[in-house]
Parts: sequence; C-alpha cells; structure tokens
Amino acid sequence: EAGVVQSPRYKIIEKKQPVAFWCNPISGHNTLYWYRQNLGQGPELLIRYENEEAVDDSQLPKDRFSAERLKGVDSTLKIQPAELGDSAVYLCASSIIAGVVADTQYFGPGTRLTVL
Amino acid sequence: SQQGEEDPQALSIQEGENATMNCSYKTSINNLQWYRQNSGRGLVHLILIRSNEREKHSGRLRVTLDTSKKSSSLLITASRAADTASYFCATDLYNQGGKLIFGQGTELSVKP
Repeated sequence: EAGVVQSPRYKIIEKKQPVAFWCNPISGHNTLYWYRQNLGQGPELLIRYENEEAVDDSQLPKDRFSAERLKGVDSTLKIQPAELGDSAVYLCASSIIAGVVADTQYFGPGTRLTVL
Repeated sequence: SQQGEEDPQALSIQEGENATMNCSYKTSINNLQWYRQNSGRGLVHLILIRSNEREKHSGRLRVTLDTSKKSSSLLITASRAADTASYFCATDLYNQGGKLIFGQGTELSVKP
C-alpha cells in the first residue's frame, strides 16, 4: 500500500513569491491534515479536511494561506505571498476517519520550504 | 499552542540501554499517541493509548499512562542505533473534535 505522497520535497523561494504544496493521501482515507513543523518543534495543525470539507482551519493564516481538497482526495496548500517566517517543513497526513476521537495519522515525508 | 511537554528534550545513550521519555499534558484527553520522526522524514505512528488504559506494549516499546498525574512515558528497551530519532507525544484533547496536539519532542541519540 502506497503511503502519503507529497511534492515537492524541497522548495526555495524569494520572499513575496507564491508557493504551492501537493499531497495525495492514502487511498480510502477520508481525513486529510496539513501541519507546519518549525525546526526543533512538533507539528502544528494548519487545516483538517473531512472529505472535501474543511472542518478545522482555525490555525490557518487566512490572509496568505489557502488550501483546497477537490473531490475529497488530493489536496493543495498555497502561500501567497511567502514571508521569511514561513520557512518550515509542511507535513501532510491522512487517517481513515476522524471525528470526536483522533485516529492514527499517517504522515508524508514533508516539504521543506526555505524563504530567502 | 502546544499542550504536551516532553522531558528530556534530548537523551543520549549507548546501544543496549533502555530509553525513557516522558510527556505531561494539562487537560483531559481521549487518547495519547506516540510518534517517531527520523531526520528529514515524516512522522511514524508508534502506539495509541486510550484514556481508560494504563499500559500498552509493542515489541520493544512500552507506554504507560497516568491520567491522575496527566502524564505518559515511552520506554524503549534494548535500544539500537536505528532507534535514533525524535519522539513526539500527541494528545487528543477531550471535546476538541479529534484534534491532535503535539509536544516539542525528545531527541534520542543511541550510540553504537
């Protein structure tokens, strides 16, 4: 069974430029998560999808970040414009289902973003 | 904000020794999960322990949960160099709709 796929693995951009990250979750997983992980820290949730619906985007900086999950499968996270403080690893995860209680999450390898 | 606090932040041991990592949290939970992250990789799920469970085992891993003290520990027995990684606890807070809050992690180094 294929795991969570993310691309690109690395991205270096100048500040104020846009950037997009792509995630393909494990087949059959209804719930998809985007996390940001700063150096030396644990992941912090940005947004969670149940199928196509964003059920928790309370920590997504909506002035510059956007996300979509069309057809309830693949997802894209975008930053426009990027700032220096956005340098981090962006992790995508999926789980079979989530609701009242958190299920086991399966993580992709992440995209390491460097903003110069 | 991160609820789980892990201790120690870093741990260095010799192969064959046991490694113990601790996680404390502040509010009631549904479950607590432990994940491992090798350098430059994503996180890998190790164990999930529910709030009504006190101990779980998986191979060389043993997790305990003390809800009265709001703490958990992860024990790795007979460590190997391949166990070198960062270990994170993640709490599923009660009444938060299945949201996981990750701690800052313990960086474990196992020297051959």
